[in-house]
Amino acid sequence: DSGVTQTPKHLITATGQRVTLRCSPRSGDLSVYWYQQSLDQGLQFLIHYYNGEERAKGNILERFSAQQFPDLHSELNLSSLELGDSALYFCASSSDLNYGYTFGSGTRLTVV
Amino acid sequence: GQNIDQPTEMTATEGAIVQINCTYQTSGFNGLFWYQQHAGEAPTFLSYNVLDGLEEKGRFSSFLSRSKGYSYLLLKELQMKDSASYLCAVRGDNYGQNFVFGPGTRLSVLP
Repeated sequence: DSGVTQTPKHLITATGQRVTLRCSPRSGDLSVYWYQQSLDQGLQFLIHYYNGEERAKGNILERFSAQQFPDLHSELNLSSLELGDSALYFCASSSDLNYGYTFGSGTRLTVV
Repeated sequence: GQNIDQPTEMTATEGAIVQINCTYQTSGFNGLFWYQQHAGEAPTFLSYNVLDGLEEKGRFSSFLSRSKGYSYLLLKELQMKDSASYLCAVRGDNYGQNFVFGPGTRLSVLP
């Protein structure tokens, strides 16, 4: 157990629907990062939050949004889902600048 | 811009040594990381380099040359469980900024 908790582990939904992915960072970590990994693709950075504030945005679609709450958990909202949104979505947290990120186990989203 | 290159696939034999290379071009540099990722699982941290030279950790070692924008991950005494993707990631200008991950190198260890 890495200490970063993601729910749900699996999600199957239809095109056009909206889903919410949840992430609880490791205790004491203020930063939360969201990444998308499509089949046989690399990790694509979506968004970074630090202590409730958005710090950086990557290649995140306008249909996607995120927030980090006062208790530091984060949610990634995906709307108007398309088949191409099927992917693994990872959340990572960090605090120690020397040791990078700790990843959660991911949410596998399948859009049918 | 930021660009990280790694070989797509490599194959090696159990018990052998393999070197996975990574070249990068980033705006600023604040550390290079190697992660291991088994299929369908989360990436796990392997090593971190911020100064030039070799960092050794058990069977795994990582080397960095900042002037050349080059790193490698060395895996010794390969085991079947080492079959995985190996991701090179660079932290750029600002602490707390996102990492840029390379495309990953898929390593297959054969008996």
